[in-house]
Amino acid sequence: GAVVSQHPSRVICKSGTSVKIECRSLDFQATTMFWYRQFPKKSLMLMATSNEGSKATYEQGVEKDKFLINHASLTLSTLTVTSAHPEDSSFYICSARAQGGLAAYEQYFGPGTRLTVT
Amino acid sequence: ILNVEQSPQSLHVQEGDSTNFTCSFPSSNFYALHWYRWETAKSPEALFVMTLNGDEKKKGRISATLNTKEGYSYLYIKGSQPEDSATYLCAFQGGSEKLVFGKGTKLTVNP
Repeated sequence: GAVVSQHPSRVICKSGTSVKIECRSLDFQATTMFWYRQFPKKSLMLMATSNEGSKATYEQGVEKDKFLINHASLTLSTLTVTSAHPEDSSFYICSARAQGGLAAYEQYFGPGTRLTVT
Repeated sequence: ILNVEQSPQSLHVQEGDSTNFTCSFPSSNFYALHWYRWETAKSPEALFVMTLNGDEKKKGRISATLNTKEGYSYLYIKGSQPEDSATYLCAFQGGSEKLVFGKGTKLTVNP
């Protein structure tokens, strides 16, 4: 149980285009999903917290107009990198927190998306 | 800015060796400490969530201890196997649901 999928796993796009990344909880309902970014040799850094049916909360320094997050259902959150530039090239990974109980402590991760902007 | 440090950065051991890594984190405003195992091209897999000072958890050959007063946790692997090769991440959870990750310890177990 507690499987999170992420699509695509790898994407290459041209500078100025937009890219959408999907994060799905496959066997549980996720009221909260998180989006992280990891640059080479750095730790996973939280970008934003996404709650179903409400606006995402962005971490300091993360541009909300550039990284659009939509959490329209209890099993799907999307991250759209708008007008991507080479400096947006990174590894993006999502996690989901299940509703209630002990699961409130745990986050289940997707496998990540490698974005390369040329 | 919260700082979570993991050491060593990488580690090579022989099959059968026992090993351990360290995660240090802020000792104030502690809520939980998470350990994840992350194999290349896969999702990070939750190993332990630890909440109480002095807590010890075990899963097979892997165990972890927690000292919240001094702000550190150890992860132990007994009798390492090649399939244990992965990056081991720890994450500090303070008074919110946010996780602050260390850079990880990359373990390579040579057959």
